[in-house]
Amino acid sequence: EPEVTQTPSHQVTQMGQEVILHCVPISNHLYFYWYRQILGQKVEFLVSFYNNEISEKSEIFDDQFSVERPDGSNFTLKIRSTKLEDSAMYFCASSERGNTIYFGEGSWLTVV
Amino acid sequence: EDQVTQSPEALRLQEGESSSLNCSYTVSGLRGLFWYRQDPGKGPEFLFTLYSAGEEKEKERLKATLTKKESFLHITAPKPEDSATYLCAVRADSNSGYALNFGKGTSLLVTP
Repeated sequence: EPEVTQTPSHQVTQMGQEVILHCVPISNHLYFYWYRQILGQKVEFLVSFYNNEISEKSEIFDDQFSVERPDGSNFTLKIRSTKLEDSAMYFCASSERGNTIYFGEGSWLTVV
Repeated sequence: EDQVTQSPEALRLQEGESSSLNCSYTVSGLRGLFWYRQDPGKGPEFLFTLYSAGEEKEKERLKATLTKKESFLHITAPKPEDSATYLCAVRADSNSGYALNFGKGTSLLVTP
């Protein structure tokens, strides 16, 4: 069964450092997303991406964040200068059209 | 503002003891209500999508129903392997990029 693949599964970084999280969405999907979940809290939407541009973003997705689809298979989330409050599980997701969204297993980011 | 409220926050059932989880929502123009299952440290796993009041979907011991104000996830004769957090999410007219707005989830524990 096709699945969304994320790397790394866990990353520890120093405050102020840049982090890039990697995702390979399901191959025939056209819409890509990033969500995050702070420990013990709800899953929060960050950004959606379609046709090589951002189609929607939340208030959380400020200038510190960026997304990119560098080639035909990868989708990345960059955090430019990490803060302690960026510590969370980051989920990549994809959908074929704007219908059912399938999530990856997540990348756990710890900022120290 | 779109809101999704799940109840109860936590539920403990004996194996075989049927029950229901509730998701009440306030959105301007529902474009879909989604149920996901989330195991600890994992990404949300898709269960159901409901689009209109009166719609029902079933999968094994789970049945999801939808009204104009809420959705129920009925669990019939649960087994210990049904233990997980069940997440409800909505997509509204305001979500131009197909984002989902999640509730906080119901943590279900089924004991033998």
